[in-house]
Amino acid sequence: RKEVEQDPGPFNVPEGATVAFNCTYSNSASQSFFWYRQDCRKEPKLLMSVYSSGNEDGRFTAQLNRASQYISLLIRDSKLSDSATYLCVVNDPTPYSSASKIIFGSGTRLSIRP
Amino acid sequence: EAGVTQSPTHLIKTRGQQATLRCSPISGHTSVYWYQQALGLGLQFLLWYDEGEERNRGNFPPRFSGRQFPNYSSELNVNALELEDSALYLCASSLLFPSYNEQFFGPGTRLTVL
Repeated sequence: RKEVEQDPGPFNVPEGATVAFNCTYSNSASQSFFWYRQDCRKEPKLLMSVYSSGNEDGRFTAQLNRASQYISLLIRDSKLSDSATYLCVVNDPTPYSSASKIIFGSGTRLSIRP
Repeated sequence: EAGVTQSPTHLIKTRGQQATLRCSPISGHTSVYWYQQALGLGLQFLLWYDEGEERNRGNFPPRFSGRQFPNYSSELNVNALELEDSALYLCASSLLFPSYNEQFFGPGTRLTVL
């Protein structure tokens, strides 16, 4: 089983739709979780962190389910500009631990059509 | 404030040669991470440096190496280049603390091995 798995997509949805992605992780000790966005031929940029209580930033909602070991990203009222690849990141932030890892999922491609 | 910078933007080498890629982190960031992103694939973690020391490395052969300088800039060296080393190499920097640990990415160096 991969350490971090994402549905590669592509998700092709109409503008205004709601779309959700999941990302599963295998290490139950993982403590930090993030969603990054990567536009075509650009570098990844942080979209949002994922907190245990869940968090919302405008049209974007991120949630963490520790029991089932997955994080999710929900995008409401999708815009054309949301078209990108969404990368989930799992990180054990234990400082100077040989077990510390930063693992990116392979990304989910989202395409919003007019 | 300047972001993460990388040089060169593009690098063309032939099989068997050596490549050196450079990264300057955001001012105040002590951690530098290197990733490989092959075409159509996700980010693969290569190396993590902090305070001049290698803290962790991904599943890459020893011909991938690097270092971090006292000013926190970093070099990635790839020896005995192989065709499959052709990829976008991304550098990211972050604060080691707090555990928020957002990574800020540079624009990348596109390495082509002929």
